[in-house]
Amino acid sequence: EVQLVESGGGLVQPGGSLRLSCAASGFTFSNYEINWVRQAPGQGLEWVSYIGSSGDDIFYADSVKGRFTISRDNAKKSLSLQMSSLRVEDTAVYYCARVYNFLGSPAFDYWGQGILVTVSS
Amino acid sequence: DIQMTQSPSSLSASVGDRVTITCRASQSIRGFLNWYQQKPGKAPKLLIYAASSLQSGVPSRFSGSGSGTDFTLTISSLQPEDFATYYCQQSYSTSWTFGLGTKVEI
Repeated sequence: EVQLVESGGGLVQPGGSLRLSCAASGFTFSNYEINWVRQAPGQGLEWVSYIGSSGDDIFYADSVKGRFTISRDNAKKSLSLQMSSLRVEDTAVYYCARVYNFLGSPAFDYWGQGILVTVSS
Repeated sequence: DIQMTQSPSSLSASVGDRVTITCRASQSIRGFLNWYQQKPGKAPKLLIYAASSLQSGVPSRFSGSGSGTDFTLTISSLQPEDFATYYCQQSYSTSWTFGLGTKVEI
């Protein structure tokens, strides 16, 4: 069974840092691209960051560029999101989501349960 | 970045109704359009990929159509478990933009 499990969330002050992790199981992690997606309270979904299967290709949303760093350890089947210079507007539930390429058309086929990050003084 | 505009933002419907949600991209995304369903407190679930292909395990009352800039998600006969928020997403570019969502409620 494919599973993605996020951890590391919590309460942090503005300007602070936090590291999220996503543990994968039930599939060959090193074969798949992964994304972070977030959802502010009562709001819609916002794509945050992407990392290719080998870790060579990385992209960020403009809203987090220069503050967040995505990485992966294929040997440990884990994904990380290092968040720094956090802002109140970064408060959200953060999801990791696997990319599946359906005949060249990618979609997020499996999602973690989400982890809440609250940025507040 | 490619902007995705969904309409309506919410709708009221009854069990058995046919429901249509539209999604418009700010530029052509060919057929790179996905639809997700999200229930409160849960992660999104993939319903439709590549504009019109049904994800495994998703009931056939869900269907998608469109290409270029205009896309549609249709629920042919709304069931009680379909009351949720629906999001479109473009996968044409790696900014993976989502629409703002359509809440389907009674």
